[in-house]
Formats: sequence, C-alpha cells, structure tokens
Amino acid sequence: SYVLTQAPTLSVAPGKTATITCGGNNIGAKSVHWYQQKPGQAPVVVIYNDGDRPSGIPERFSGSNSGNTATLTISGVEAGDEADYYCQVWDGSSDHWVFGGGTKLTVL
Amino acid sequence: EVQLVESGGDLVQPGGSLRLSCAASGFTFSSFAMNWVRQAPGKGLEWVAYITDSSNTIYYADSVKGRFTISRDNAKNSLYLQMNGLRDEDTAVYYCARDQERLGMGFDHWGQGTLVTVSS
Repeated sequence: SYVLTQAPTLSVAPGKTATITCGGNNIGAKSVHWYQQKPGQAPVVVIYNDGDRPSGIPERFSGSNSGNTATLTISGVEAGDEADYYCQVWDGSSDHWVFGGGTKLTVL
Repeated sequence: EVQLVESGGDLVQPGGSLRLSCAASGFTFSSFAMNWVRQAPGKGLEWVAYITDSSNTIYYADSVKGRFTISRDNAKNSLYLQMNGLRDEDTAVYYCARDQERLGMGFDHWGQGTLVTVSS
C-alpha cells in the first residue's frame, strides 16, 4: 500500500517560514491535499490539488509537489497557525485514500 | 451552509456492533461521494470508507474490510457506517467528510465527529 511520510514535529518562530514536507514514491504524479487540524476541531483543507487554495485560506499558505516530495509552505507564521497538518492522496492502485502521519507545527 | 452532523457514537464492548449516522444539509447530498475518516486518541487521521453518490462503488480500508459497512440514503440525506466485530483499536472519533475529488479538491467539508469507545 502507498505510504506518505511526514516529520512528526516542526517548530518555527513567529514571522518565519514553515516548510512541511510529505514524502511518497513518485508523489509528484499524484494530486496532494493538505489539511489543518486544531485541537478539538475537525480538519480543514488548506491546500488542494498540490497548490490551490480554498476561499478563505490566507495567501500565506502555498503548496508544491514534485518528484518524491510534496511541500506545504506557510509564510509569515502566526500563533494561530499552530496545528497538526496532514497530507493526503488518492492511491489508485489500491483504491484507497491515504493520509500522512501528520506534522505538529509549534509556533515558538 | 454545508453541514454534516455525526451521531451514534457510544461505549461498546469488544465484539459488539454500532451504527453511526451522518446527517447532511445545505447541499445536494445525492450528488456527492462521501467518506468516513477516524482518529484514534492522540493519533493521526485514518481513512475508513468511501461511497459514491449513487452507492455504485464502495471502498474500505484494509483495517475494517469485512467488519464495517458504509451505506447511504439519499432520500434522507444521510450517510451510515455499520460497525460489527468491534475491537479496542477501533476506538476513535469518527468523521464523515464530503468528497470533492471529482473536482480535485479532496474532502472539502467535515462533520465535528462522534466518539466510539470500544472497551470492556
């Protein structure tokens, strides 16, 4: 089955840039979605289709996908960005949705 | 406004059964595929099951295949998850989520979740 790998934690100072990666075999050939989940809340999609942003999501959030790594970038990190972030793809070979293990972003 | 409201979570003994429901409103439910996703306490997201708008195609995670059944009633704007043979490791918050992958948008709306606890 297809596996997505994320670093468990990332700490960033306010105003700096957070780079959250999601590794997978030839993930660049897939469409990657990113979700933000704050404690006690349901996930919210912040990036879909590699780099598109839903309405209401700040421009500080961007995404890219190439080769074996997809990346979620948060520029000018704010305290309110502190959350768990998950990547997701559809694995057509197994007909399964797959989530990465999640990255907990801490704003210092 | 799109709303998804899960219900049916409870404390159940290992080997027991439970049926979860997800009531949808604010959109044409019969036009969208739907999913169940779960999250064990302190853990990450795990996709559980998928059903197309017409129920023609259904997929399950390997961890629940043969024990769980996803279904829907478009006349009642409702999604269901019948869970049998429950195990300790099925303890989790269960979310229903609207699938917008036909537009390449992933899961664009989620419910708030319902807690299932499997314990003796």
